[in-house]
Amino acid sequence: GAVVSQHPSRVICKSGTSVKIECRSLDFQATTMFWYRQFPKQSLMLMATSNEGSKATYEQGVEKDKFLINHASLTLSTLTVTSAHPEDSSFYICSARPSGLAGAGELFFGEGSRLTVL
Amino acid sequence: DAKTTQPNSMESNEEEPVHLPCNHSTISGTDYIHWYRQLPSQGPEYVIHGLTSNVNNRMASLAIAEDRKSSTLILHRATLRDAAVYYCIPFTGNQFYFGTGTSLTVIP
Repeated sequence: GAVVSQHPSRVICKSGTSVKIECRSLDFQATTMFWYRQFPKQSLMLMATSNEGSKATYEQGVEKDKFLINHASLTLSTLTVTSAHPEDSSFYICSARPSGLAGAGELFFGEGSRLTVL
Repeated sequence: DAKTTQPNSMESNEEEPVHLPCNHSTISGTDYIHWYRQLPSQGPEYVIHGLTSNVNNRMASLAIAEDRKSSTLILHRATLRDAAVYYCIPFTGNQFYFGTGTSLTVIP
């Protein structure tokens, strides 16, 4: 089946540094990718919708200057957490949808990236 | 966006059928009903989706009410590997929002 790969799966960084997380669709093209964060024992919270070749659409309350999203190709989207602080520590998950299927198509999720900011 | 209501938790005995309900009374006519599940520290996994008719695949069955305001995910024989949080999500192709889901415990 289709696969979405996230990298890195775990990252530990110092407060004030920036961290980049990659999300790749390995065997399909994805016009749209979604980025989520998840705190322990909570559901996934949608952060932004990433569209290839255009600016991401951020959900209310998500700082676009802090969480930079780039979707430069149909198989790659990146999330950069800038000037990370301990409260940004979370499980970040991406998902991708094969182009052209709209609601009829299933989403494929990455394995998640656990960010710990010291 | 359509809101969903699911039980916070459910239990099932191993090898018994499980019926996981979801209310989505504000669903729009073009929303597909998707179900995903998530194991701890993993990304969600697709289970099944449908629009109006009931759907079957190797993992589960999806029964959709005639008015589409509710649906039920059916696991025919629960196994220990089915223990997860199950989410139902109405989806038109734009934003994909997760609700609180149902945490399924499978008892050996």
